[in-house]
Amino acid sequence: DTVLTQSPALAVSPGERVSISCRASEGVNSYMHWYQQKPGQQPKLLIYKASNLASGVPARFSGSGSGTDFTLTIDPVEADDTATYFCQQSWNDPYTFGAGTKLELK
Amino acid sequence: EVQLVESGGGLVQPGRSLKLSCAASGFTFSDYNMAWVRQAPTKGLEWVASISYGGSNTHYGDSVKGRFTISRDNAKSTLYLQMDSLRSEDTATYYCARHGGRGWFAYWGQGTLVTVSS
Repeated sequence: DTVLTQSPALAVSPGERVSISCRASEGVNSYMHWYQQKPGQQPKLLIYKASNLASGVPARFSGSGSGTDFTLTIDPVEADDTATYFCQQSWNDPYTFGAGTKLELK
Repeated sequence: EVQLVESGGGLVQPGRSLKLSCAASGFTFSDYNMAWVRQAPTKGLEWVASISYGGSNTHYGDSVKGRFTISRDNAKSTLYLQMDSLRSEDTATYYCARHGGRGWFAYWGQGTLVTVSS
């Protein structure tokens, strides 16, 4: 299976820029997607196919990368962005998720 | 507005069966591939199964292959997950999701909790 590696946690101050990384154990072309999950809620799609902003998602969120290395960037970070962010690939079978990066605000 | 509402979760003994349902509204259900994704308590996300828009093609994760069956009733705009031979490691919140394209999950339901325990 394709293993997706994310850093476990990050802490930033409101107004700053934050980059959340996701590294795949094998190439996934551009089929990397990002989700936000707040406590007690279902995940929400932010970015699909590496860099495409999902409907209704603020332009503060952006994605980049291809192959094995991908980044979700939030700029500027707002207090409401406190959440866990998951990457997911759909190029290789089975679909797999990263373990998530918990974003905390200082 | 896209809405996905899961039901059917609960407490079940190991080895028993349970069937989950997901009622869809706000879009033309028969136009979209659908999926189930689960999340064990305080854990990450795991894709469980997907089904094509017409229902003819299904696809499963290795941990549930041969035990779970995904199906759909387009006339009722409802997705199902039949779970047999349940194990303690199947304990999770099960989310219904609408695929957005090749493999990503564009919309998610609120989830239904399945607890497998004696």
